Amino acid sequence: EDKVVQSPLSLVVHEGDTVTLNCSYEVTNFRSLLWYKQEKKAPTFLFMLTSSGIEKKSGRLSSILDKKELFSILNITATQTGDSAIYLCAVTNLNYGGSQGNLIFGKGTKLSVKP
Amino acid sequence: DGGITQSPKYLFRKEGQNVTLSCEQNLNHDAMYWYRQDPGQGLRLIYYSQIVNDFQKGDIAEGYSVSREKKESFPLTVTSAQKNPTAFYLCASSIGLAVSTDTQYFGPGTRLTVL
Repeated sequence: EDKVVQSPLSLVVHEGDTVTLNCSYEVTNFRSLLWYKQEKKAPTFLFMLTSSGIEKKSGRLSSILDKKELFSILNITATQTGDSAIYLCAVTNLNYGGSQGNLIFGKGTKLSVKP
Repeated sequence: DGGITQSPKYLFRKEGQNVTLSCEQNLNHDAMYWYRQDPGQGLRLIYYSQIVNDFQKGDIAEGYSVSREKKESFPLTVTSAQKNPTAFYLCASSIGLAVSTDTQYFGPGTRLTVL
């Protein structure tokens, strides 16, 4: 059965700290891994990763994928209170008729950044 | 086991036909959501419901309708008025609508293809 496991489930840090969120997966016909930030009703897209070892960066956020060990990490440096949110990891697989595949979500990591 | 189920997993319909996607949860969650996912885009909110017999339009509600007659069920109807219905549809639920603190749990999704 395909599954995505995120850890930790929740995390409390202080502003300025660096955090690392983990996502491991077991998926047949893996295609890509996506990170979302959930702070409003619809999770907002952060990164899509398809190749191992290539870091993607956006400001203080970065992410990397290891397809051999089947995991990804999301790093946030110099955290701010606005980073407080639930971070979701999802994996897509190649599936019938789909160029996009189907999304399998992890349960998320709830990050709280204290001033 | 508690969770969210969506059916069917794959759905085909002809142009001009209405089709209803099922979403059921046994998590005793008050809030439920419908999203669609298109290739290269993040999730977009179609409708959401905070409580039985009440629902609100999301960002792309045109051409869709929902009902919430029971707490456990939130079916989505894709009407013939929806101009581009081929997509991957995800249902989610959460304890409440406090979206910064209440994790949304996602169903496995339904891939709708219009022929």
